[in-house]
Amino acid sequence: EDQVTQSPEALRLQEGESSSLNCSYTVSGLRGLFWYRQDPGKGPEFLFTLYSAGEEKEKERLKATLTKKESFLHITAPKPEDSATYLCAVQAWTGTASKLTFGTGTRLQVTL
Amino acid sequence: NAGVTQTPKFQVLKTGQSMTLQCAQDMNHEYMSWYRQDPGMGLRLIHYSVGAGITDQGEVPNGYNVSRSTTEDFPLRLLSAAPSQTSVYFCASMIWGTGELFFGEGSRLTVL
Repeated sequence: EDQVTQSPEALRLQEGESSSLNCSYTVSGLRGLFWYRQDPGKGPEFLFTLYSAGEEKEKERLKATLTKKESFLHITAPKPEDSATYLCAVQAWTGTASKLTFGTGTRLQVTL
Repeated sequence: NAGVTQTPKFQVLKTGQSMTLQCAQDMNHEYMSWYRQDPGMGLRLIHYSVGAGITDQGEVPNGYNVSRSTTEDFPLRLLSAAPSQTSVYFCASMIWGTGELFFGEGSRLTVL
């Protein structure tokens, strides 16, 4: 059974204080690993897809990296508007490739 | 483009009542799905569809029904509501196989 574990559950940073969120996974044949951002009262919003170990993707202050067992979402010099819950999900190679397994998320708060 | 539209945003039901959560997308995506999100549990897949006339069960399908008569619409039916179905429900669509889900804003359901 595919599993995704995210840590920490919650993280509080001051503006400009860089940090990383972790997503560890077990999956029988990784098709893709996905990062989403979710604001309170809203649906998740897609950020990145990573397909193979060593791959990196960047968007503004966010950079996602992937190894064979985990992914990191690095946040450089965060701003208050980066406050959100960040979700990680994996998709395995199956007959239908229809199922994403989500982690429970890291709730990030960035203060002034 | 409106993206993925869910109605209603809020609903309160009594145990045993039935209702339908509506979902429509205007991106011509083949794949549509329903998730529920509960505290500490992450997003869990209820049902999904890979095209009109084709549906399949996800991780937690019991108590829910779906149908897909058009590409645009994917309603979720609660047959006899139970307090355990109190949750936030998200509809999501994607280009088949990509894993990049587009979510609606969610429907918050309370069953008394």
